[in-house]
Amino acid sequence: EVQLVESGGGLVQPGRSLKLSCVASGFTFNNYWMTWIRQAPGKGLEWVASITNTGGSTYYPDSVKGRFTISRDNAKSTLYLQMNSLRSEDTATYYCTRGGTRVSFAYWGQGTLVTVSS
Amino acid sequence: DVQMTQSPSYLAASPGESVSISCKASKSISNNLAWYQEKPGKANKLLIHSGSTLQSGTPSRFSGSGSGTDFTLTIRSLEFEDFAVYYCQQYNEYPPTFGAGTKLELK
Repeated sequence: EVQLVESGGGLVQPGRSLKLSCVASGFTFNNYWMTWIRQAPGKGLEWVASITNTGGSTYYPDSVKGRFTISRDNAKSTLYLQMNSLRSEDTATYYCTRGGTRVSFAYWGQGTLVTVSS
Repeated sequence: DVQMTQSPSYLAASPGESVSISCKASKSISNNLAWYQEKPGKANKLLIHSGSTLQSGTPSRFSGSGSGTDFTLTIRSLEFEDFAVYYCQQYNEYPPTFGAGTKLELK
């Protein structure tokens, strides 16, 4: 059974940093692109970052480019999202998903809530 | 970016009824469209990909149709477990984009 379990969310002040983790199981992690998607309270889904199966390439929308960094450790089957210079508009539930920029997202974690507030 | 417009935003129905949700893309996306189901406390579930292909485990009462810019998710004979929020997503072009969602409520 495929499982994606996120952690690392919490309350953080504007301008500070936070690092999210996602532990994957039930599939060969290093065979798949991985993606972070977020959902602000009461809003829709927004693609945040994707990474190739090797970690060699990463992709971001303009809204987070230069502030967020997606990475992975294939030996640990773990995906990361380093979030710097956080803003109130980054407040959202962040989901770890299996998939990339040109496929559907077959599996999702249950999400971890990030709240950016002073 | 490709804009995805879902309608309606809210839909009230009763078990046993059939409902349809529309998703329109701002430009042609071929059949590169997925539908997801969101339920409280559960991971989002991929229902349909490639416009009309049921993901393994999706009940046959769900169906998807369309290509190009206009797509439809149809649920026949609604069951209680189907009351949820549904999203469409295009993956034909970078970046991937989602519709705003349709909340299917119990009448």
